[in-house]
Amino acid sequence: AQKVTQAQTEISVVEKEDVTLDCVYETRDTTYYLFWYKQPPSGELVFLIRRNSFDEQNEISGRYSWNFQKSTSSFNFTITASQVVDSAVYFCALSEADLSGGYQKVTFGTGTKLQVIP
Amino acid sequence: DGGITQSPKYLFRKEGQNVTLSCEQNLNHDAMYWYRQDPGQGLRLIYYSQIVNDFQKGDIAEGYSVSREKKESFPLTVTSAQKNPTAFYLCASSIDPSGQQTEAFFGQGTRLTVV
Repeated sequence: AQKVTQAQTEISVVEKEDVTLDCVYETRDTTYYLFWYKQPPSGELVFLIRRNSFDEQNEISGRYSWNFQKSTSSFNFTITASQVVDSAVYFCALSEADLSGGYQKVTFGTGTKLQVIP
Repeated sequence: DGGITQSPKYLFRKEGQNVTLSCEQNLNHDAMYWYRQDPGQGLRLIYYSQIVNDFQKGDIAEGYSVSREKKESFPLTVTSAQKNPTAFYLCASSIDPSGQQTEAFFGQGTRLTVV
């Protein structure tokens, strides 16, 4: 069964500090997708990134970067020079093939609440 | 603007009542989903629909029902059989019916409280 672990329940940092959110996953599939979503206080989840299992290149988007390491089954998310607007709950998610075909289930981690203090 | 609209934002229900949560999307997405979010527990899938007039149970479907009569709409009914309905409910959609290839778009959620 697929599983996503976000061991950090809550993190507090001072503005302009860098912060890394950890995500460890378990899957038996060789083909799968990993996602990160941001949930601000308004409630809706906002998509940040999708990575497939065959692409281990790290990615940078502005102050955001992602480190995908299949050897350790991790897909960590780093925010550089954090800002108050980064305060939110961040979810890591995994999608693998459903055994019966068709819909491929997405499993979410329990989320990490990030508080950036001004 | 394109997106997903959930209503109401807050809903109070008396024990023993059924309530229906609305979810409408104008993104022309085939797939729609309902998730339940409880504190410290991530998102759990209640029901999903890959196409109009078809839907499947997710991990925690007991006590819930859905319909998908139109592509744009995927209402969720929380029935009296749901023993612990107080939670935050999120509706989502994706362009890819398999749920894997593309990201999901989420509504702003409905917070349901049993009083």
